[in-house]
Amino acid sequence: AQTVTQSQPEMSVQEAETVTLSCTYDTSESDYYLFWYKQPPSRQMILVIRQEAYKQQNATENRFSVNFQKAAKSFSLKISDSQLGDAAMYFCAELNYGGATNKLIFGTGTLLAVQP
Amino acid sequence: DAGVIQSPRHEVTEMGQEVTLRCKPISGHNSLFWYRQTMMRGLELLIYFNNNVPIDDSGMPEDRFSAKMPNASFSTLKIQPSEPRDSAVYFCASALSGFQPQHFGDGTRLSIL
Repeated sequence: AQTVTQSQPEMSVQEAETVTLSCTYDTSESDYYLFWYKQPPSRQMILVIRQEAYKQQNATENRFSVNFQKAAKSFSLKISDSQLGDAAMYFCAELNYGGATNKLIFGTGTLLAVQP
Repeated sequence: DAGVIQSPRHEVTEMGQEVTLRCKPISGHNSLFWYRQTMMRGLELLIYFNNNVPIDDSGMPEDRFSAKMPNASFSTLKIQPSEPRDSAVYFCASALSGFQPQHFGDGTRLSIL
């Protein structure tokens, strides 16, 4: 069964600093996608970044980048130049492609606090 | 472009009442998903539609829950009768296809008294 593990329930970072959120996953599939979603207190689920498993190059979106280690099944999110608006719950998620259900499996989340 | 639209944003009702949650996916998206978020269980997929057809409803908790998608622009999730343990935030999400990024609505916070 697919599982996604976020081992850091809470993290804190100073404004303008860099923080890395960890995520590991477990799948037997060869085709899959990985995502990071952000959930601020407003409870919206906002897509931050996406990584296709077949791509070796790490995805980057402005201040957000990932470190994708396929062999280790690790998918960490790095936030550079942290801003107060980055404070939120961050969820890592995996999507297997090609099965009967293209189901997103979420981790339990990491609550990120940004200190001014 | 408008995102996924859910209504109502909040719902408070008494145990035993019927509850209907509504969702309008992003135009052109042919995959629709209903999720439930609770503190205890996190985010769980309840049901997945592709081209208006339910593909996987294995996450639907029990027969009190039902979901429909009568057309490409509308879906409902119904709970009848509702119970206090159904209290949660319910999200609807849509995607261009099953493996494309899912875009979430703002969710419905449901409280069953």
